Amino acid sequence: KQEVTQIPAALSVPEGENLVLNCSFTDSAIYNLQWFRQDPGKGLTSLLLIQSSQREQTSGRLNASLDKSSGRSTLYIAASQPGDSATYLCAVRESGSRLTFGEGTQLTVNP
Amino acid sequence: GAVVSQHPSRVICKSGTSVKIECRSLDFQATTMFWYRQFPKQSLMLMATSNEGSKATYEQGVEKDKFLINHASLTLSTLTVTSAHPEDSSFYICSASRDNDQPQHFGDGTRLSIL
Repeated sequence: KQEVTQIPAALSVPEGENLVLNCSFTDSAIYNLQWFRQDPGKGLTSLLLIQSSQREQTSGRLNASLDKSSGRSTLYIAASQPGDSATYLCAVRESGSRLTFGEGTQLTVNP
Repeated sequence: GAVVSQHPSRVICKSGTSVKIECRSLDFQATTMFWYRQFPKQSLMLMATSNEGSKATYEQGVEKDKFLINHASLTLSTLTVTSAHPEDSSFYICSASRDNDQPQHFGDGTRLSIL
């Protein structure tokens, strides 16, 4: 059974810092990996999707990497802003299209 | 971008009431829709996967008679919580996907509170 772990569970940084969120998964036979953002009481916003054949994806200040063989992904956020404060979830997609989510990292960026 | 609309956003009702939640893909046809449940400070737990025109596939431990799912068209899936009780109070989120190569797009969720 696939298990997804995110470290750290919570992170608080001053504005302007670069930061890295970590995600690991136990079964490397994944279709793709997706990073989401969730604001309190809201649904999920897709940030980046990395196919299993890809190594990284970039969108603005966000960069996600994937090392499928070692079962790891990182989400790099450059020049963090208070508006980046949210919970970040990673999820892996296996055959059959189901997603398995990690527990999330709660990020707080202080002004 | 792809938009998924979920309605209602919040429901407060008495124990024993049945509650229907709608999930619509507004600008694309979704071959598959997913229903998740999320408890406070926890991640999303997949409840069931629904494909248009066929019966939903429920995850282990999810009561299919309790959580009725209907996916009657390529743009609409509904989740009905039947005879809801306080322990059913939770945040329910749906998602929709065009196909396996495409990402899932999520609705804004429904906060269900059973008194």
